[in-house]
Amino acid sequence: DIQMTQSPSTLSASVGDRVTITCRGSQNIGGWLAWYQQKPGKAPKLLIYRASTLESGVPSRFSGSGSGAEFTLTISSLQPGDFATYFCQQYNNYPRTFGQGTKVEIK
Amino acid sequence: EVQLVESGGGLVQPGGSLRLSCAASGFTFSSYGMSWVRQAPGKGLEWVATIKQDGSEKYCVDSVKGRFTISRDNVKNSLYLQMNSLRGEDTAVYYCARDREGASLYWGQGTLVTVSS
Repeated sequence: DIQMTQSPSTLSASVGDRVTITCRGSQNIGGWLAWYQQKPGKAPKLLIYRASTLESGVPSRFSGSGSGAEFTLTISSLQPGDFATYFCQQYNNYPRTFGQGTKVEIK
Repeated sequence: EVQLVESGGGLVQPGGSLRLSCAASGFTFSSYGMSWVRQAPGKGLEWVATIKQDGSEKYCVDSVKGRFTISRDNVKNSLYLQMNSLRGEDTAVYYCARDREGASLYWGQGTLVTVSS
């Protein structure tokens, strides 16, 4: 199975900050990576798929990059509604696996 | 508007069974792969199973093989997860989700399964 490791696990930041979350795979997954945002008590929301394609309706301050085994999610200017937990997921092969999550907290 | 509505969760004893359902609307159900993803209380997301559009291909995580079965009814626009031999570690909110190239674009609100005596 492909292990996905996110870092950091927790991130404290302020409104307006630039935030970067890293996701590393235990092997090459090409570009088959998605990023999700989840708020407490809610279902996850797809932000980015195919490593860098922004899902429709997602603000352009979110961006994704990377290929192979290392990927990043960047929020260019953190907004109040962005405080949440973020998960990466590889779907290059089965079992599809998620990273453990990165909680973005208010500093 | 795409809607996914899960049902069938509840409290079950270890070793028991439950069948989860997911009613889909607002899109052509038979055109999309569908998945179940779960989240134990306070934990991260875990992919459970995926079924292709026509039901010919099914995949699941090793921890549920032989116990859980994913299925679908493209006439009833419904997705199912039959869960047998339930264990405490199966306690989670179970989400159904519509695939987008393998990622999950649309999600239901989730249904809680609690395995406890």
